[in-house]
Amino acid sequence: DAKTTQPNSMESNEEEPVHLPCNHSTISGTDYIHWYRQLPSQGPEYVIHGLTSNVNNRMASLAIAEDRKSSTLILHRATLRDAAVYYCILRDGDVTAGNMLTFGGGTRLMVKP
Amino acid sequence: DTEVTQTPKHLVMGMTNKKSLKCEQHMGHRAMYWYKQKAKKPPELMFVYSYEKLSINESVPSRFSPECPNSSLLNLHLHALQPEDSALYLCASSQDPRWTVSYEQYFGPGTRLTVT
Repeated sequence: DAKTTQPNSMESNEEEPVHLPCNHSTISGTDYIHWYRQLPSQGPEYVIHGLTSNVNNRMASLAIAEDRKSSTLILHRATLRDAAVYYCILRDGDVTAGNMLTFGGGTRLMVKP
Repeated sequence: DTEVTQTPKHLVMGMTNKKSLKCEQHMGHRAMYWYKQKAKKPPELMFVYSYEKLSINESVPSRFSPECPNSSLLNLHLHALQPEDSALYLCASSQDPRWTVSYEQYFGPGTRLTVT
């Protein structure tokens, strides 16, 4: 699987937007970009995914660079509940590659009141 | 119901014990997964079941034995574990894996295992 690079940690103030970057310079044309987060003492939860176009859902927005070598997860208004480790994961779109997630180091987001 | 349940929440076992972890989902998902997560590390895939058949084994030692008795249940049988096997064991499920990989995975809260 292609690798992703994320900052180890980031800090944000409550109710401010947060931009979490992810570099994936070796991404292939069939790789989807997935984001999961893991709140303390919980299993990971799906946040959002995309292929080429920017995506929005109720939790976040995903901005994908035109060359697809980087992406940014955007939380529009951080709350204390958003404090978690955020994982950027590439998943091969070829169904024969298997349906598994390969987690990288992730970014630990701390939210200050 | 978008929940994956795991029992027990915590487990302490000796190196000579045999125990089992249980995972259940009622979302009609046909792919189920076991991950292992050591403290302050990301989850690592152990096994993947697709339509109740083992499709991926990530070179896991034989002291871990998975079982998928039906489409809703996934077990992980543990025998003769080592202290370094102490970790959080996470179960996940996803929809039909045959047609697309864009389906999200739903994770349970995990079983925290301590081997003494």
